[in-house]
Order: sequence, then structure tokens, then C-alpha cells
Amino acid sequence: SQQGEEDPQALSIQEGENATMNCSYKTSINNLQWYRQNSGRGLVHLILIRSNEREKHSGRLRVTLDTSKKSSSLLITASRAADTASYFCATSPTGAGSYQLTFGKGTKLSVIP
Amino acid sequence: DVKVTQSSRYLVKRTGEKVFLECVQDMDHENMFWYRQDPGLGLRLIYFSYDVKMKEKGDIPEGYSVSREKKERFSLILESASTNQTSMYLCASTYPAPGQLNTGELFFGEGSRLTVL
Repeated sequence: SQQGEEDPQALSIQEGENATMNCSYKTSINNLQWYRQNSGRGLVHLILIRSNEREKHSGRLRVTLDTSKKSSSLLITASRAADTASYFCATSPTGAGSYQLTFGKGTKLSVIP
Repeated sequence: DVKVTQSSRYLVKRTGEKVFLECVQDMDHENMFWYRQDPGLGLRLIYFSYDVKMKEKGDIPEGYSVSREKKERFSLILESASTNQTSMYLCASTYPAPGQLNTGELFFGEGSRLTVL
């Protein structure tokens, strides 16, 4: 079942601008992860934030998590044309034996040079 | 460098054929997964395995089976391919997150794009 839902579905920005993508989910989680997928390729892990964390940084990426609102956001600062890709959030639900990650449908980001 | 290798990037098969999609990881991961990805539907979990010879159904197991005879290899089998199984198939692996049963970072293969005619 689809747990994470990204918003917007598509985003087009100029190079150098910041890009913000949002993710909402429905049930309690252990962690939330963001992935990137270049066209026709596999997914690549970007960042993992645990349920007891509120913010995390990695290079030009900043992720926030609000468990009370069941939402997360991914901010890419000073975007580059090479950031053009689809971005997915994925949630790891609580509960014993929860080996699964459930993915959203993704946000397609286009960065125009 | 960690690696998940899917045997075929592109396959074209006919309706009714038996199809094998192979996935090998070199990271000694316990957990392996098969997803399919379709436009507008995102990634949907077909099957996963948390140990050799162990498997669990995901959200859309119908029409598929899996095999995990060795820790590093996880195969997806379409017993009788149908046109609605035309899709991108993604294999992934991971270790259990430290101290938890839930999933840590997934490592994905490059995908296998299957077309069933």
C-alpha cells in the first residue's frame, strides 16, 4: 500500500534556485528516507531521518521531519542542472518484522540551466 | 563499492513465456526486495526475502514467484508472462537497521525493463 505521498508531482526551477519537495504519510514510522532516480536508472539513497530527529543535513540537502503532522520535506539548495531527477520519499513503518520500505509516487524535478 | 546487479537491463518476451529476472548483491545483506515501477503508480513491492529460503509477499505478488537459494541471489519469476506485467523491475537489498527490525538504506540495481508482447 502506498504510504508516502510527495507533493508537488512535478517541479520546474531555474538553476541556482532552491527546490522544496514535501512528503506526507499515514502511519507511525521508524524512519523516513529520500531517494533520487535519474531517468531509466535505479534509485539512489540520499538521506535517512529517524523518527526522533527533526532535521538533518547532507551537503546541499536539508530534510525535516514533523511526526505530529506526519510529514517531511526535502530542500535542495542552489540547484544544478544535474539535480534533474525524480525524488521519492520512503517510510519504514513501526512494528515487529517491518522489513519493508513503502515508497511514494515521486516528485519529478527539472532544473533549467 | 557496493553493488546490486540485475542480469538484464532490457528484455522482450511473449505472452505465456516463463521469465526469470536475476539479482545479485555483493554486500552480504540479509534482506532483498523486488519492486515494480509504473508511471503514475510509483514503486510497488512484489516480494521480499529476509533470509535464505525465506520469502514474504509484498503488495502485488499475484502472477509472480521468487527464489532465494543463496544469500547473495534473489530471483523473480513470472510463470506465464502477461502484457500487464510490462514494467520496470527493480531489485534492492539492505541490512536490518542497527538495533531495529526495520529497514535501513536500500541499495538498488539499475533495473530491468521488461516488455511482454
